[in-house]
Amino acid sequence: DTEVTQTPKHLVMGMTNKKSLKCEQHMGHRAMYWYKQKAKKPPELMFVYSYEKLSINESVPSRFSPECPNSSLLNLHLHALQPEDSALYLCASSQARGGEGEQYFGPGTRLTVT
Amino acid sequence: QKEVEQNSGPLSVPEGAIASLNCTYSDRVSQSFFWYRQYSGKSPELIMSIYSNGDKEDGRFTAQLNKASQYVSLLIRDSQPSDSATYLCAVNEYRRGGADGLTFGKGTHLIIQP
Repeated sequence: DTEVTQTPKHLVMGMTNKKSLKCEQHMGHRAMYWYKQKAKKPPELMFVYSYEKLSINESVPSRFSPECPNSSLLNLHLHALQPEDSALYLCASSQARGGEGEQYFGPGTRLTVT
Repeated sequence: QKEVEQNSGPLSVPEGAIASLNCTYSDRVSQSFFWYRQYSGKSPELIMSIYSNGDKEDGRFTAQLNKASQYVSLLIRDSQPSDSATYLCAVNEYRRGGADGLTFGKGTHLIIQP
């Protein structure tokens, strides 16, 4: 079973709100990822967690704060976002096997910042 | 900085024909290569992975990798209207001994004409 779940499916938030995106996988994967995808663009990497530790932060603004409470869960905390942050936020997971390791994506959370 | 290049299309192929999708990458240390299919409004779905030079077949799909030429391709035999989607080429490299994120091409929009 290659299933990654994400909640909520859709989120509308104001620029002063605080919200969180959640991701869960039960494949025993030890690497989890957040990507951002704008309309008609490819996904762009935001963060990588390997064995529950943040290993890569692709210079993402501090208004995005990731958290990995355990090996199955990944959160993305949002605060003081801008309208240009509206996008599809994708979570993925993989075996942490160096350069190999197929990444499986969840269905995404479509975020609109008003 | 890794770059992954794809022809954005649209690529129009008659039903039942072979669709050929191409991708080039700039980083010689890239080790893993993936093809994802993405339907409009959905998340990317992994359809093929390839790690070594040569061909890899899975059903109607064949991935081809030539590391010397920094070229990876995807062939879809007996194309069906349900294959109409955007196909994303993605590459991964071994970095810091652990998990790494994917770098995506801009995607090729494939249209299978009934």
